[in-house]
Parts: sequence; structure tokens; C-alpha cells
Amino acid sequence: DTAVSQTPKYLVTQMGNDKSIKCEQNLGHDTMYWYKQDSKKFLKIMFSYNNKELIINETVPNRFSPKSPDKAHLNLHINSLELGDSAVYFCASSPWTSGNTIYFGEGSWLTVV
Amino acid sequence: GENVEQHPSTLSVQEGDSAVIKCTYSDSASNYFPWYKQELGKRPQLIIDIRSNVGEKKDQRIAVTLNKTAKHFSLHITETQPEDSAVYFCAAGNYGGSQGNLIFGKGTKLSVKP
Repeated sequence: DTAVSQTPKYLVTQMGNDKSIKCEQNLGHDTMYWYKQDSKKFLKIMFSYNNKELIINETVPNRFSPKSPDKAHLNLHINSLELGDSAVYFCASSPWTSGNTIYFGEGSWLTVV
Repeated sequence: GENVEQHPSTLSVQEGDSAVIKCTYSDSASNYFPWYKQELGKRPQLIIDIRSNVGEKKDQRIAVTLNKTAKHFSLHITETQPEDSAVYFCAAGNYGGSQGNLIFGKGTKLSVKP
């Protein structure tokens, strides 16, 4: 009964490839996020969706494209992967009106070689 | 936009000692200040939070204090134990706000030596 689940957990791929990470939450939350955590452990928001609508789009290369088919799912597609994309990507969710407590998924470790 | 500064970046204490991590924020509209703990290889998890109408909140060995005038808040861990070793993140946001976004500090790596 994992609250926020994302797949795959580990992903090793070559430069130039296209890959996707999927995320699902069963908490009934309205808002979902993608965070990137680099090797220095900085947690930086990439995207935020509320009820399938994009509400935050930080300065992220166009190669990153989020998609939210419904409010329980937020997937991340990355085109033309680069070495610098290697990081841990955390999906997260939070209630819309009940505060901003964020619940993180277990993370997806992406390594670009 | 909001900017959150967190200090120190690393902290080493002896088991049983206290640990204090401090954060400052820039946006006076922020009114929600959570703290997350991230163990090695795991996800960040909420350990305590405080809202701007409260100056201090305590939960067993951890406490958070907030000084809204000075725009800073701190995490206090007493009687530290080896299992407290982790990276701790502070964050600031607008509770119930229209965007539901949290800005995180850069983290503090706490090491508790037995």
C-alpha cells in the first residue's frame, strides 16, 4: 500500500537515449511534483501539477516533459539524455488545501553513461 | 521568490549531545516550515513542521523554533543517537497557498558518533 510509487527505481542508459519515469500516488492528493536531487544532495523542484494542470515549471531544459493523465499519475519523459541528467528523481504529492506537507516517492536513480 | 539558506552543511556530534540546524528564509509571506530527514539511499520524510502562528513545537527529542520577525527557524535534536545520522532539510512555503510549493534548503549532513 505504498503511498507514492515510482518506477523504475534504477535506470542506467546511454547518452542520447530517451527514457521515462512513471509515478502514481494513492493518497487522493491533488498536487504532484517532480524533484531532482543531484550528487550534492540539493533538492530542486522541476515541475508541479494540480489536478492534471501544470502550475510550476522551473527552469528545466525542454528535453524534460512531464505528463499527467489524471491527478493520481505524473510521468516524466526525458529526451536526448545527457551526462548531467544523472541524478535521483523524486516524485511527490501533497494535498491542495490542507497544507504543503509533501510525501515523496522512493526515488529513481538515473545514471547516464 | 522564496530563498532558503541552511547552516551548517555538515554537523558532527557525539552520541547524547544536542544538534542544532538553522535556516533563514526571504519571503515574509511564507508561513509553513517543515523539516525532512533523509537517510542514506532513502526518500526524504517529514519529521516535524511548524506554522507561523506558533513559535515553538516539540515532539519527543526534536523541536523546532520559529522567529518570524527575523525570518529564521531552527531544528533542535536532543540526546542524539546514531540513528539520527542523516541529511536534514528545512523548507519554507505558503500553507494553503495557491501553488503549494515548498522551497528546500541545501541540507545538513548530521553524523552522530557512538
